[in-house]
Amino acid sequence: DSGVTQTPKHLITATGQRVTLRCSPRSGDLSVYWYQQSLDQGLQFLIQYYNGEERAKGNILERFSAQQFPDLHSELNLSSLELGDSALYFCASSATEGSRTDTQYFGPGTRLTVL
Amino acid sequence: AQSVTQLGSHVSVSEGALVLLRCNYSSSVPPYLFWYVQYPNQGLQLLLKYTSAATLVKGINGFEAEFKKSETSFHLTKPSAHMSDAAEYFCAVSSASKIIFGSGTRLSIRP
Repeated sequence: DSGVTQTPKHLITATGQRVTLRCSPRSGDLSVYWYQQSLDQGLQFLIQYYNGEERAKGNILERFSAQQFPDLHSELNLSSLELGDSALYFCASSATEGSRTDTQYFGPGTRLTVL
Repeated sequence: AQSVTQLGSHVSVSEGALVLLRCNYSSSVPPYLFWYVQYPNQGLQLLLKYTSAATLVKGINGFEAEFKKSETSFHLTKPSAHMSDAAEYFCAVSSASKIIFGSGTRLSIRP
């Protein structure tokens, strides 16, 4: 158990809908990262938040957005969902703002299925 | 730009045999390298990491990896495979704010 929690574990929805994925980092960690794992793209970094502020952006679509709240939990919002958005979405956390030596600890993931 | 390449999308070994999973990296700066494991229907678990302190890095579950700068490699090994090692293994390199993952190697263990 990494200490990172994600809810829900599974999510099934229809095209065009909007969903919210939730992540709670390890106690004391200030950074939260979101990754997408799909069969065709592999594991890709989406976005990072540090202490409530966006710190880095990766291959995140404009239909996706995230935020980190004062209690440090984070939410990833996915809207106008398409079939291709079906994937496993991971949250990770680390202690600092994202140095290369930081270790990121991953949650169990949320499996999103878009029908 | 930094990247990692995992050689072999699927590796199959007999129980008790040596496990060798290959990873080569490309980095314009001294790399920080990781191996993660993903068991079926589970999240990613850190196996070990290299941060330039020692070239031979020992991880959990009997795994270790050796950093070889001359070969730009960071191969993962385990002397004796166990059935419970069956999983997907990811080599990764750390950039400033993100981890860049390889495409993964699925390890199967034959009884």
